Amino acid sequence: SQKIEQNSEALNIQEGKTATLTCNYTNYSPAYLQWYRQDPGRGPVFLLLIRENEKEKRKERLKVTFDTTLKQSLFHITASQPADSATYLCALGPRTNAGKSTFGDGTTLTVKP
Amino acid sequence: NAGVTQTPKFQVLKTGQSMTLQCAQDMNHNSMYWYRQDPGMGLRLIYYSASEGTTDKGEVPNGYNVSRLNKREFSLRLESAAPSQTSVYFCASSGQGAYGYTFGSGTRLTVV
Repeated sequence: SQKIEQNSEALNIQEGKTATLTCNYTNYSPAYLQWYRQDPGRGPVFLLLIRENEKEKRKERLKVTFDTTLKQSLFHITASQPADSATYLCALGPRTNAGKSTFGDGTTLTVKP
Repeated sequence: NAGVTQTPKFQVLKTGQSMTLQCAQDMNHNSMYWYRQDPGMGLRLIYYSASEGTTDKGEVPNGYNVSRLNKREFSLRLESAAPSQTSVYFCASSGQGAYGYTFGSGTRLTVV
């Protein structure tokens, strides 16, 4: 069955550094991949979507890469700030049943001042 | 600028009681979803509706039923609540094609 693994449950970094979060998957061939941010007590908020034929996508301080050979996506936050502290979820988008995405468990990022 | 609205925000039920979680979106999205989120388990899909008039089971449908009342509204019903259904429930919607989901703020349900 398909499996999604996000790197270590928690990631702690110093303000100003680049945070790199990993999303690995097996037994799956997604048409696209999404990244979400979730704050405590709130619903996830969509950040970025990258399609299988795209290698990289950027949005302000965020950068996402997608390697379908390695079955991996990397999510980078450059010049991190304490306000970036949250849980980040990746989700795999299917080829059929359009819209029915499968979510990873998330990585909790803490940016220390 | 409502997006996806869920009610109630909090609920405590006794084992065996029933209740309906309500969800409405104002973005004219075709697809709607119900997820539950438990510590260490991530988001798991309960049911989804690809379009008005259709519903399908997700990963964990047992103990739940859904109704896609119209394009805007998608409700989740627990007929006989069990402690294992204690969780945070999220409703989400998405538009045509490959786009991100818009989530509601969640319903925190406790079954005692």
